[in-house]
Amino acid sequence: GAGVSQSPSNKVTEKGKDVELRCDPISGHTALYWYRQSLGQGLEFLIYFQGNSAPDKSGLPSDRFSAERTGGSVSTLTIQRTQQEDSAVYLCASRRTSGGNTGELFFGEGSRLTVL
Amino acid sequence: AQSVTQLGSHVSVSEGALVLLRCNYSSSVPPYLFWYVQYPNQGLQLLLKYTSAATLVKGINGFEAEFKKSETSFHLTKPSAHMSDAAEYFCAVSFYGGSQGNLIFGKGTKLSVKP
Repeated sequence: GAGVSQSPSNKVTEKGKDVELRCDPISGHTALYWYRQSLGQGLEFLIYFQGNSAPDKSGLPSDRFSAERTGGSVSTLTIQRTQQEDSAVYLCASRRTSGGNTGELFFGEGSRLTVL
Repeated sequence: AQSVTQLGSHVSVSEGALVLLRCNYSSSVPPYLFWYVQYPNQGLQLLLKYTSAATLVKGINGFEAEFKKSETSFHLTKPSAHMSDAAEYFCAVSFYGGSQGNLIFGKGTKLSVKP
C-alpha cells in the first residue's frame, strides 16, 4: 500500500483479555518494527523483523508479548492477559533494506490500546 | 551504547519567534540522526535526517538541523514559528544504516506556539 496501515486504530479491552494488533507495511519494505509509546516515555522499541525472522526481540517487556510476521508482509503483535500498564499507543514502522537505504523508518498512525 | 537526550519536554514560543529544540546523542560509531514530528493522533513523520553528508541538513516545513560532532548535538531550528508547528518532536539515532537500522528515540519535546 501507499503507507503503513495499522488496525485497529483504537482498542478498549478488559484486564486479562488477549489482544491482537495488526500492521501492514509499505509494499516491498523488508524491515518491520514495533514500538510502544506511553505518555511521557517517548518511543520504546519492542521488536524488529527482517523478512519473517525476528533477529531482535530485546524490547518485548514480558513473555505476555509476542509478534509474528508472515509472507514478509503483515505483522501481528499479540498481548496476552493484558494489564493496565499495557495501555499505550503501539506504533509500527517499516523500512527498505535495499536500493539506497538511509535508515528512514515510515510509521503507521498507531493502535491506541486502553486496558480497563 | 547509543542514546538520545532531548532537553526540555515542553517548549513554548510565540508565533514568528525562533524555534530551537535541543538534542544530544551518544554513539560509539558514526551515527545517523533523525528528527521526526508527530501531530495529535497521528504517526511520526520524518522532518529531516543526517547521514554523514552535509552537516547542515534542511528538512520540510522550513526546519533545519546542524550536526556538531564536537558537541555530540543535532539541534533542530526554524527561524520563524507558525501555529501549525505545534506538535511533538522526536530526535532519534540509528545504530547503523545497514542491516538493522533500529532507531533509538529521545523522549520528545512538545512544542506550543502562542499567537
